[in-house]
Amino acid sequence: DGGITQSPKYLFRKEGQNVTLSCEQNLNHDAMYWYRQDPGQGLRLIYYSQIVNDFQKGDIAEGYSVSREKKESFPLTVTSAQKNPTAFYLCASRKSTGELFFGEGSRLTVL
Amino acid sequence: AQTVTQSQPEMSVQEAETVTLSCTYDTSESNYYLFWYKQPPSRQMILVIRQEAYKQQNATENRFSVNFQKAAKSFSLKISDSQLGDTAMYFCAFMKLVVSRLTFGEGTQLTVNP
Repeated sequence: DGGITQSPKYLFRKEGQNVTLSCEQNLNHDAMYWYRQDPGQGLRLIYYSQIVNDFQKGDIAEGYSVSREKKESFPLTVTSAQKNPTAFYLCASRKSTGELFFGEGSRLTVL
Repeated sequence: AQTVTQSQPEMSVQEAETVTLSCTYDTSESNYYLFWYKQPPSRQMILVIRQEAYKQQNATENRFSVNFQKAAKSFSLKISDSQLGDTAMYFCAFMKLVVSRLTFGEGTQLTVNP
């Protein structure tokens, strides 16, 4: 089945460590996105990519990095510079008619 | 920058009744998309309904319909015959066509009571 796969579902990080969240899609969509969701709040855009080898910062890009070497993959690295990384992270890709399709999310907790 | 406002943090409705969730947005664009997404306790984001700004006709999907008032920049969601499975957080979202960034409101937690 076509869809978006995020891994891992749960991840624990010690302070000072970088961690990478994986996002893979087999929907053949050009654009991909990373959002952060904090408890009881809406989604905030971290980074997005409209085409391979290109990406743009969203509203809260500080402390995060991404790459887009393949159309299917858009990994997100949470660096040690991100001061409050505990959150729920959602990856999405965009259909040509505008709507986003989301993965099941990754929960990151800092120990 | 575009903003999306959902003024109702929480709502509740009895099963089988109708409920309307409010959303307003601010933009200077004339052509854009509007969406309602649902996030149940599983936290999976599910598309409920989509509206293109150039279409005057309100979108409908089964029990879900919208009231799109472009001049007022209002985009409310009506859920008819509410079901227990409709219990979720509902997010209104806006997308400019050129930049293709999706901006979300803060969400409305809807509870359907038996």
